[in-house]
Amino acid sequence: GENVEQHPSTLSVQEGDSAVIKCTYSDSASNYFPWYKQELGKRPQLIIDIRSNVGEKKDQRIAVTLNKTAKHFSLHITETQPEDSAVYFCAASSLPGGSQGNLIFGKGTKLSVKP
Amino acid sequence: GAGVSQSPSNKVTEKGKDVELRCDPISGHTALYWYRQSLGQGLEFLIYFQGNSAPDKSGLPSDRFSAERTGGSVSTLTIQRTQQEDSAVYLCASSLAGGKVGNEQFFGPGTRLTVL
Repeated sequence: GENVEQHPSTLSVQEGDSAVIKCTYSDSASNYFPWYKQELGKRPQLIIDIRSNVGEKKDQRIAVTLNKTAKHFSLHITETQPEDSAVYFCAASSLPGGSQGNLIFGKGTKLSVKP
Repeated sequence: GAGVSQSPSNKVTEKGKDVELRCDPISGHTALYWYRQSLGQGLEFLIYFQGNSAPDKSGLPSDRFSAERTGGSVSTLTIQRTQQEDSAVYLCASSLAGGKVGNEQFFGPGTRLTVL
C-alpha cells in the first residue's frame, strides 16, 4: 500500500521568510495530493491540493509542486506570518487505479513562525 | 450549512469497556472516513465508506474495532474491550464522492478517547 514520508518534522522560521515542507510517496498510482493545516486543538483543514496532471499550483502565499517521476511533492509558504504556525500534513490517495478514497497522511510538520 | 459533527467530544473509559463514537457527516456527502490521531502523531486511516459499497476496512488495527454507517449517513465507530493504547483523538471526515479524484475531505472536531 501507499506510504507517505514527510520532512522536516519541525520547522522554525522568522516572520517574512519562506517555509518548505517536502513529502515523498511510494505508490505510483496515487493521483491526488492534498495538504492540510491543523492548528492547536482544532480539526485539520484543507489548504491546497494538487492532482497528478499538474506540476504546480499556487494560491496567494502558498504553492505546491509535484514531481511524479521522483514521487515527491512540496508545500511552499512565502512571506510567512505568525498565524501560519500550525502542524501541516501532506497526504496521498491510495486506492488502486488512482481513484481517491481514503488518504494516507504523512506524520506532519510543526511550523513555528517567530515574530 | 452544518459541518461534520462528532459526539462525544471527550470520552474517558476504563480498560476493558466498550465505547461507541458517533459521526454525522455533511448532508449529501456520500463518502465517510474514520482516522485516528495519537498525541503528536499524524492521521492514521481506519475505515472508509462510499455509498452502498462494502467499506474499506483495511486500516482497522484489530478485530476489536468495527464501524457501521446506517442509511448512508450517520456512522458509529465501536471499540470493544478498550486498551490504553486506544487512547487517541478519533477524527471523522466526509466528502462529496470518494471515488472521484480531488474531492475535499471535511473533518469533524474529533472525539478525544482516554482509556484509563
